[in-house]
Amino acid sequence: AQSVTQPDIHITVSEGASLELRCNYSYGATPYLFWYVQSPGQGLQLLLKYFSGDTLVQGIKGFEAEFKRSQSSFNLRKPSVHWSDAAEYFCAVSGGYNKLIFGAGTRLAVHP
Amino acid sequence: ETGVTQTPRHLVMGMTNKKSLKCEQHLGHNAMYWYKQSAKKPLELMFVYNFKEQTENNSVPSRFSPECPNSSHLFLHLHTLQPEDSALYLCASSQEQGISGPHQGTQYFGPGTRLLVL
Repeated sequence: AQSVTQPDIHITVSEGASLELRCNYSYGATPYLFWYVQSPGQGLQLLLKYFSGDTLVQGIKGFEAEFKRSQSSFNLRKPSVHWSDAAEYFCAVSGGYNKLIFGAGTRLAVHP
Repeated sequence: ETGVTQTPRHLVMGMTNKKSLKCEQHLGHNAMYWYKQSAKKPLELMFVYNFKEQTENNSVPSRFSPECPNSSHLFLHLHTLQPEDSALYLCASSQEQGISGPHQGTQYFGPGTRLLVL
């Protein structure tokens, strides 16, 4: 069965520090992978997606993610976190027929 | 982001009330989705419509009744809800289901309706 695991429920980083959010997926075929961000009280905004080609994907707001097929991972990274990055981050895999299967989310707190 | 709008943004209703949530997308998409997001639970897909036809109902109780009159509008009619139905209800849209290629799976979300059932 298709699934997405985000091992970290909460992460706290200092402003200016680097960030890596982990995502592991289970999917039988070549996956389409996504990262979304949700600010408090808001909907989900697409940060980036991978569907083929270069395994390092650039997104909005300075985020990038790397697809590693051998590790079934799609980790999200940012070299220097800003206080405005505090939000909840969701990894998702497209399970075919345009359905998205979401992870449980990682809540990011940023210390000044 | 104004591609997908939802009204109202907040709603308080009693268990005997009837209300409706509205979603509108301005992206030219043909698939629309309702999700429920409760505290401490993963996003739950409720319903999917493709070209106005319902293609998925994830065992949602009948007190939730969706309606999709055209590809741009999606409603969720609510009646005799329970307090445990309090949640953020999110609408999303995408190009039609079954598409492959770079747009597969890419959904765009509205801001949600925060629902409180008393």
